[in-house]
Amino acid sequence: DAGVIQSPRHEVTEMGQEVTLRCKPISGHNSLFWYRQTMMRGLELLIYFNNNVPIDDSGMPEDRFSAKMPNASFSTLKIQPSEPRDSAVYFCASSILRGLFFGEGSRLTVL
Amino acid sequence: TQLLEQSPQFLSIQEGENLTVYCNSSSVFSSLQWYRQEPGEGPVLLVTVVTGGEVKKLKRLTFQFGDARKDSSLHITAAQPGDTGLYLCAGGDNYGQNFVFGPGTRLSVLP
Repeated sequence: DAGVIQSPRHEVTEMGQEVTLRCKPISGHNSLFWYRQTMMRGLELLIYFNNNVPIDDSGMPEDRFSAKMPNASFSTLKIQPSEPRDSAVYFCASSILRGLFFGEGSRLTVL
Repeated sequence: TQLLEQSPQFLSIQEGENLTVYCNSSSVFSSLQWYRQEPGEGPVLLVTVVTGGEVKKLKRLTFQFGDARKDSSLHITAAQPGDTGLYLCAGGDNYGQNFVFGPGTRLSVLP
């Protein structure tokens, strides 16, 4: 079975550019989560969706961040404009019951 | 805000030794999960515990959920180099949707 698929795996961009991260959850999972991981702050929940509807976006740092889930098999996390402090590994995870299944992450570096 | 603490933060041991890592909170969780994360990869779910006092075993790993559902421990018997990684605990809310992660214990098992 395919796991959670994220793209790109690595992204290097310059400050001010738009960044779009993509996620395909596991088929049949009805919840999708976006996390950010840094050495300083660990894993932080940014936003999660249930049945494609955003439930809690209180972790989204600021208006530069936005997330969408247009259907059950696809989600995006967009940063516009990007800043150096956004550099981190961004994980997407999906869930159907208790417990999360993570993708391999997208490592973002903003210069 | 529900917070999870993990101890120790770092642990380096020799192959064959036993170890225990802890996950503590002042909050009650409906469920608690343990994950292991290796460099360059996403966290992988090891176990979910939901009942106070519950004990689960996964080969050489033993997980226990505290009676009050506020804390948990992970015991590894006869550690092997393949056990090396970041061990994360996460607490789930009553709906099994919002997961709060601890900062992790970074384990290194030396051959």
